[in-house]
Amino acid sequence: QKEVEQNSGPLSVPEGAIASLNCTYSDRVSQSFFWYRQYSGKSPELIMSIYSNGDKEDGRFTAQLNKASQYVSLLIRDSQPSDSATYLCAVNGPGGYNKLIFGAGTRLAVHP
Amino acid sequence: EPEVTQTPSHQVTQMGQEVILRCVPISNHLYFYWYRQILGQKVEFLVSFYNNEISEKSEIFDDQFSVERPDGSNFTLKIRSTKLEDSAMYFCAITIAGTANEKLFFGSGTQLSVL
Repeated sequence: QKEVEQNSGPLSVPEGAIASLNCTYSDRVSQSFFWYRQYSGKSPELIMSIYSNGDKEDGRFTAQLNKASQYVSLLIRDSQPSDSATYLCAVNGPGGYNKLIFGAGTRLAVHP
Repeated sequence: EPEVTQTPSHQVTQMGQEVILRCVPISNHLYFYWYRQILGQKVEFLVSFYNNEISEKSEIFDDQFSVERPDGSNFTLKIRSTKLEDSAMYFCAITIAGTANEKLFFGSGTQLSVL
């Protein structure tokens, strides 16, 4: 059974701080990794995708991938209260395209 | 980010009844998907659909489930005889033609409640 693991949180950070979210995955052949943000009662919203080892930056978000350690992370700089949500890590599953395996998510709370 | 419209937003049904959930994507999408999320649990893959046929399905997607694109636009998920454990948020998802694959965009979801 392919797994994606995340700390459920909540992760509480003050406004303006860096939030660090982590994810590990079990399938070594996974090639595509995604971070989604999900507000309560809403659908997942794609924030970042990363396919190669290293860092990828997009605005206040940085995704980091280490395939040797089977580890992917998301950094949110200058955290805002509006960033308060559940962050889902997703990894492509075995077989066809876009069969994503999701982690249970980490709840982030940014307090003023 | 593309808009994917799902109807209805909420559906309440009695156990054993049939339900049809609808998704209206933009016409140039290649792949269509259904995912579901039981309250407080992970988002789970159900089925992928390409070129008017199922390309992959999970073990959740048993004989009670079916998908089709009846008129070339709407993409539907049918549950023939609903069970209490089918209560969940159901998300339609798509990929965008011409972009890197595996970037899934989700619709707004249908909250299904089976009583």
